[in-house]
Amino acid sequence: DVKVTQSSRYLVKRTGEKVFLECVQDMDHENMFWYRQDPGLGLRLIYFSYDVKMKEKGDIPEGYSVSREKKERFSLILESASTNQTSMYLCASSYRGQGQYFGPGTRLTVT
Amino acid sequence: AQSVTQPDIHITVSEGASLELRCNYSYGATPYLFWYVQSPGQGLQLLLKYFSGDTLVQGIKGFEAEFKRSQSSFNLRKPSVHWSDAAEYFCAVGERNTGNQFYFGTGTSLTVIP
Repeated sequence: DVKVTQSSRYLVKRTGEKVFLECVQDMDHENMFWYRQDPGLGLRLIYFSYDVKMKEKGDIPEGYSVSREKKERFSLILESASTNQTSMYLCASSYRGQGQYFGPGTRLTVT
Repeated sequence: AQSVTQPDIHITVSEGASLELRCNYSYGATPYLFWYVQSPGQGLQLLLKYFSGDTLVQGIKGFEAEFKRSQSSFNLRKPSVHWSDAAEYFCAVGERNTGNQFYFGTGTSLTVIP
């Protein structure tokens, strides 16, 4: 079974802090994704990566950056957390277009 | 532009009743098609997928979905719903050429009445 793990299930940070969300997959998938999920808005793509050190902006990249130094690991960085970044963050990986496998999510609260 | 529409925001069914969740998509060609389920506080789990061939696909947990090209639809069905099926369901399309573009509907929340 594909396993996608995220470093934290729940996280509370203060406004202005730098926040790192880590995601690791164990199936050698080339594609990895970061989404945020908010009630009524569904899933919105922040960034995705199709290879090591490669990244593409999604629909809502503002205020976020990403890093992919190794194939299995994709990090989402909030440079200066703000309260409007309070959300559920979901990481996913995929092999080509054959469906995505999601991690359990990180619920981030910024106070 | 690609889009996925799930017209039902919320559905309530009785345990043991049949279920159909609707999904329509707008896409230039036949995309890859997926259904996911999300239990409260959890990530999304892939229920089933359609790439090509037989338009009726079987998935996990007793779910099936039918691709209808003429209607641009990919509706999810289950003959008899169990209380544990209460969750949020998402339809998604995937782009065939690059395989790294996915578009999600806004989800349908399912409540199951005992």
